[in-house]
Amino acid sequence: EPEVTQTPSHQVTQMGQEVILRCVPISNHLYFYWYRQILGQKVEFLVSFYNNEISEKSEIFDDQFSVERPDGSNFTLKIRSTKLEDSAMYFCASSDPTGTGTSGTFGSGTRLTVV
Amino acid sequence: QKEVEQDPGPLSVPEGAIVSLNCTYSNSAFQYFMWYRQYSRKGPELLMYTYSSGNKEDGRFTAQVDKSSKYISLFIRDSQPSDSATYLCATAISSGSARQLTFGSGTQLTVLP
Repeated sequence: EPEVTQTPSHQVTQMGQEVILRCVPISNHLYFYWYRQILGQKVEFLVSFYNNEISEKSEIFDDQFSVERPDGSNFTLKIRSTKLEDSAMYFCASSDPTGTGTSGTFGSGTRLTVV
Repeated sequence: QKEVEQDPGPLSVPEGAIVSLNCTYSNSAFQYFMWYRQYSRKGPELLMYTYSSGNKEDGRFTAQVDKSSKYISLFIRDSQPSDSATYLCATAISSGSARQLTFGSGTQLTVLP
């Protein structure tokens, strides 16, 4: 069964450093998403991406965040200057082009720890 | 206001029991309703997806949506220990393109053998 692959599974970084979280969406999917889940809290939407541009973004997704699809397979989330409160699980998701873009298939996540 | 409320549990039931999981939401613009299952340290996995009001059944799982009361439910029949996980409800507004999901906080379910 096709799956969304995220790397690394766990990343530790120092406060103020830049991090790039990587995702390989399912190959025929056209909509891409990033969500995050702070420990013990809800899964929160960050951003959606379609046709090489951001479709929607939440208030969390400020100027410190950016997304990119640098080639035909990868989808990345960059955090320019990490803060302690950026520590969370970050989930990438992708969904198909048939109009059922609601659901999305999630990856297993990257646990980001900012120290 | 985009908000989804879900009883966090934990909920513990014996094997074979019928499980009822529920969420309420406040935004009447929500049109799509999903249930996800999440195992520890894993991403959410879509279980059920419903558009607008009504029931949907898939094996042992039944999803119900009552838009008049803004209430969504997931029923699990003949629950198994392998059903032990956190169950997340999620909603989305029909925006015509990539849809932003709003999640509940999740209910932790344990099915005891």
